[in-house]
Order: sequence, then C-alpha cells, then structure tokens
Amino acid sequence: GENVEQHPSTLSVQEGDSAVIKCTYSDSASNYFPWYKQELGKRPQLIIDIRSNVGEKKDQRIAVTLNKTAKHFSLHITETQPEDSAVYFCAAIRGEYGNKLVFGAGTILRVKS
Amino acid sequence: GAVVSQHPSRVICKSGTSVKIECRSLDFQATTMFWYRQFPKKSLMLMATSNEGSKATYEQGVEKDKFLINHASLTLSTLTVTSAHPEDSSFYICSATDRVPDTQYFGPGTRLTVL
Repeated sequence: GENVEQHPSTLSVQEGDSAVIKCTYSDSASNYFPWYKQELGKRPQLIIDIRSNVGEKKDQRIAVTLNKTAKHFSLHITETQPEDSAVYFCAAIRGEYGNKLVFGAGTILRVKS
Repeated sequence: GAVVSQHPSRVICKSGTSVKIECRSLDFQATTMFWYRQFPKKSLMLMATSNEGSKATYEQGVEKDKFLINHASLTLSTLTVTSAHPEDSSFYICSATDRVPDTQYFGPGTRLTVL
C-alpha cells in the first residue's frame, strides 16, 4: 500500500522567511496530494492541493510542487507569519483504493517573531 | 460550503460505557465518510471508511465490534465506541467527501476521555 514520508518533523523559521516541507510517496498510482494545516485541538484545514496532471500550484503565499518521476511533493510558504505556526500534514490518495488518504507524520512549524 | 460538524466536541465517560459520536455533512451529501483517530502530536490514523447504506470497511487492526460505524444517510455517520477503556481515550475526527477522488472535509473532532 501507499506510504508517505514527511520531513522535517519540526521546523523553526524567523518571521518573514520561507518554509519548505517535503513529502515522498511510494505508490505511483497516487493522483491527489492535499496539504492540511492543523492547530492544536482543531480540525485539519485544507490549505492547498495538487493533482498529478499539474507540476505546480500557487495560492498567495503558499505553493505546492509535484515531481511525479521522483514521487515527491513539497509545500512552500513564503513571508511566514506567526499565525502560520501549526502542524502541517501532507497526504496522498492511494489510487487503487479510491479516495483513502494516507497522511505523512506531520511537521511542526514554528514562526518566531 | 462543505461544512462538517461533529458532536459532541468533548466527552468524558466511565470505563465500560459506550459513547456515540455523530458526524454530519451540513451543506452537501457525503457519499463517503471517514473516521480517524489521532493521538497527541501524532498523525491521523484512518480507522474505517463508511459508505451510505453499506457496511463500513475497517483498517487492519481496528476492531469492528468495538468501533461500530453506521452511515444511515448521506449526511450522517455515527461512531460508537463500545465498552470504552482508558486506552480508547483519543481525539476522533471524521471527514466527508462528495466525489471520488476529491477533497476531504474534516469535522472539528471529538475529544474522548475514558476514566
């Protein structure tokens, strides 16, 4: 089945700097890759997603890139702000099982002001 | 749009009792709902996939007799933790999707504490 690895587990950046979180997946049939932001005790919130027919997608300060050949995708946050501090999860859909998401282990992002 | 609610948000129960958690899609029909469990500082672990009108599909290692899932309508799925024990204490989150494959919309979660 699908396996998603996420790095780093924790990331501290200075306010205004960029943050990059990377994920790799194992199932080449996976075709949908969302990123979720979760604040303590709250629900995961979808912040951006990308499908396998696209290499890059951007939404204001957030961007995601996908390399299907290497089976990895990354989240890029520019001009980080303290409110970006949260846990970020990447995920992938295991293609042969339909729409069951497999999550990465998560990255704790701390933006220091 | 795409709002998922979950009730209760927090529950404390005694060991041996059963607890029911409801997950509702408020403004869309959810063909599929998912139940996750999350331990502190850990990722979401899928417990089961629930399709309206059919039996839930449980992930390996999840006891179907302990975690009863019912998906009676396109807007409601329930998870019942039967004979709860302290090790069942966790954050339970549901999600719903209306298309395959598409975005999963998460509920706010239920914090279960078993004494």
